[in-house]
Amino acid sequence: EEQLVESGGGLVQPGGSLRLSCAASGFTFSSSWMSWVRQAPGKGLEWVANIKQDGSEKYYVDSVKGRFTISRDNAKDSLYLQMNSLRAEDTAVYYCARARLLDYWGQGTLVTVSS
Amino acid sequence: SYELTQPPSVSVSPGQTARITCSGDALPKKYAYWYQQKSGQAPVLVIYDDIKRPSGIPERFSGSSSGTMATLTISGAQVEDEADYYCYSTDSSGNYYVFGTGTKVTVL
Repeated sequence: EEQLVESGGGLVQPGGSLRLSCAASGFTFSSSWMSWVRQAPGKGLEWVANIKQDGSEKYYVDSVKGRFTISRDNAKDSLYLQMNSLRAEDTAVYYCARARLLDYWGQGTLVTVSS
Repeated sequence: SYELTQPPSVSVSPGQTARITCSGDALPKKYAYWYQQKSGQAPVLVIYDDIKRPSGIPERFSGSSSGTMATLTISGAQVEDEADYYCYSTDSSGNYYVFGTGTKVTVL
């Protein structure tokens, strides 16, 4: 059974950093594009970034370019999102999802940016 | 930046047909995907590649696309179909993705 489990969320001050992780199981992680999606409280879904199977291609939504970095470790079946220079508007539940069609999702991890 | 536009809400009675539209300039050449999100839960893929239904998704969910508009249809909507629905697709480059504005479906 395909499973994605996010971790690393929490409370961080504006300007701070946080690294999210997503542990994958039940499918061949190294064969899948992977994506991050977020949802601010009471708001809609927002695509954040995705990464190709070998990490050679990465794409980001404009609002996080230069601040967030997506990466992966295929040996550990893990996806990451390094978030720097965090702003209040980055407060959201962050989901990892499989592939670009987002066919499997984790349960999400909450990131709160506040002083 | 690229945008996908959906109606904010759709309301139907049980057993009726609910149709949710998604408008975007790149849709004539790019696939649309649809997700159902119930309160407090992660989204679930219900339609991919415009018209395909993942295993386990009830047959009452169907998708179509014509020109700049994709449509999710729930035929014979059930109370358990109450949820937010989002379309999703990519811009003309094929590299940058976007979600629609979301539609709240009420079945009562």
